[in-house]
Amino acid sequence: EVQLVQSGAEVKKPGESLSISCKGSGFTLIGYWITWVRQIPGKGLEWMGRIDPADSYCDYSPSFQGQVTFSADKSTSTAYLHWTSLKASDTAKYYCARTFNDAFDLWGQGTMVTVSS
Amino acid sequence: SSVLTQPPSVSVAPGQTARITCGGNNIVSKGVHWYQEKPGQAPVMVVYDDNDRPSGIPERFSGSHSGDTATLTISRVEAEDEAAYYCQVWDTTTDHPGVFGGGTKLTVL
Repeated sequence: EVQLVQSGAEVKKPGESLSISCKGSGFTLIGYWITWVRQIPGKGLEWMGRIDPADSYCDYSPSFQGQVTFSADKSTSTAYLHWTSLKASDTAKYYCARTFNDAFDLWGQGTMVTVSS
Repeated sequence: SSVLTQPPSVSVAPGQTARITCGGNNIVSKGVHWYQEKPGQAPVMVVYDDNDRPSGIPERFSGSHSGDTATLTISRVEAEDEAAYYCQVWDTTTDHPGVFGGGTKLTVL
């Protein structure tokens, strides 16, 4: 089955670092951009940016530039979203999505990140 | 910058037709994509490039685009269609090209 499988929910304290993952199953990430989307509880979808797993080239939304980092491991068909110092305002659900012709045709199940002291 | 405007909510009785609009001053020449998000589930693409439907999406879902407004139409609405719907475009004239509308909550009465 073709799917994106994300890592499980995380509970962290402010200032801690975190990486969450998004693994392609049934297809290879090479040939697609992987987009990251944030959804604050009760709110809409926000485009954070995207990564080309073939060469790890990244585009970041200005709202997230410098706040997060994208990476990818071609050998395991996995994309990652990293934070070096979490804030309470990072509490949200994060989705990865396969990007095809500028549309997001396959989504991961989402990873809930809770940041609380 | 590109801003996509959707009505916050639309209500429709079962069997009727729901229409959800998405307006923006820069979407005239862009393909519009639509996503359905049910509570506790990941979004699913239901229409892409204005009016194409991914495999597995019922024919009841269709899209149209005229000028600065795109419309998602759901015919013969069923209870299972109750969800939030988001439009999205790719706007390379801005520094955040992946743009979503604010979302529309469809309530099936």
